[in-house]
Order: sequence, then structure tokens, then C-alpha cells
Amino acid sequence: EAGVTQFPSHSVIEKGQTVTLRCDPISGHDNLYWYRRVMGKEIKFLLHFVKESKQDESGMPNNRFLAERTGGTYSTLKVQPAELEDSGVYFCASSHRRTGGKETQYFGPGTRLLVL
Amino acid sequence: AQKVTQAQTEISVVEKEDVTLDCVYETRDTTYYLFWYKQPPSGELVFLIRRNSFDEQNEISGRYSWNFQKSTSSFNFTITASQVVDSAVYFCALSRSNAGGTSYGKLTFGQGTILTVHP
Repeated sequence: EAGVTQFPSHSVIEKGQTVTLRCDPISGHDNLYWYRRVMGKEIKFLLHFVKESKQDESGMPNNRFLAERTGGTYSTLKVQPAELEDSGVYFCASSHRRTGGKETQYFGPGTRLLVL
Repeated sequence: AQKVTQAQTEISVVEKEDVTLDCVYETRDTTYYLFWYKQPPSGELVFLIRRNSFDEQNEISGRYSWNFQKSTSSFNFTITASQVVDSAVYFCALSRSNAGGTSYGKLTFGQGTILTVHP
């Protein structure tokens, strides 16, 4: 079974440009999460999709960030326009939606974003 | 609000030594889940263990063991007879639990502990 995949693995852009990150979750996983780790700090939650619906977007830093999950499969996270403080590693995770069971989030390798 | 603290930023040991990674958490929830993830140099976060708050039995998996102590809000991770392949960043995390006991939603992570095992 393929794991969570993310594209691109690295992205270097200039301040003010737009970048779109993609995440393909494990097949059949309804839950999809985005997280971000800024250099040296903890991994922080950005948002949570259940299928195509946003369940929790309390961690999105501002309206320059737009996440979508059309059709409930893969997800994109667009940053427009990018600022220096957006640099970091963006992780995607997915999990089964279980009732009465135990949810475990499986992570992708992350996208390393550097804004110059 | 939930918080996870991993006070050890970096640990360096020599192969075959035992090493314990500390994790202390804060939550107002009565039921919750605790996790450990490993991040090897390849970058992805690898799930190691999930523990629910109503089960304080310690767990052992090969060279790995976990000590959950609700009284001190700690969930420490011990690697016995460490190996070079154990070198990685280790993250402790916490999630909420619904009334049915299912962990759900966002994970709150600690800052991670960089473990280096020297040959």
C-alpha cells in the first residue's frame, strides 16, 4: 500500500510569488491533515479535511493560505503571496475515519519551502 | 489548551547505551491519546506508538519501551541498546478523544528531540 505522498519535495521561491503544495493521502483515508514546522520549532496543525469538507481550519495562519480537497482525494495548499515567515516544512497526514476505533495519522515526507 | 514539552533538544549516546526521551504534556481533557513519531533523515514522520489515557500499562516493543505516568503527565520513551539506525528526531504528540474513546483531530506536538547514536 502506498503511503502519503507530497509534491514537490522542495520549493524555493521569492517573496510575493505563489506556491502550491500537493498531498496525496493513503487510498481510502477520509481524514487529511496539513501541518507546518518552522525551523527549530514544533510541528503545528494547520487544518483538517474530512473527505472534501474542512473540519477544522483553526491553525491556518492567515488568508494568504488556501487549502482545497476537491473530490475528497488529493489536497492542495496554496500560499499567495508568499512571505519570508512562510518558510518551513509542510507535512500532510491522513487517517481512516473510525468510529469507536483508534485513529492514527500517517505522515508524508513533507515539502520544504524556502521563501527568499 | 493542550501543550507538549520535550525538554531535551539533543541527546548524543554511544551505540549499545540505553537512552530515555522525556515527554511531559498538559491537557484539561480527561481522555486523550499520546503518540510518539520518529523522523529519520529521509524526512517522513514514522508512527511508533499510540497510548490512550485510560490505559496506564507500560508497553514494550523490541528495544523500545514506553512509560506512561498520568500522575506526572509524562509519557517517556526508552530505547534499550541503542543502534546507529535509531538516530533521528523523535516527536511526542497529544490528541483529544471523543466520548467514545476515539482519538481524533489535530495532534499537538512537542519540539522534538534530536537523537544521535555514535558507533
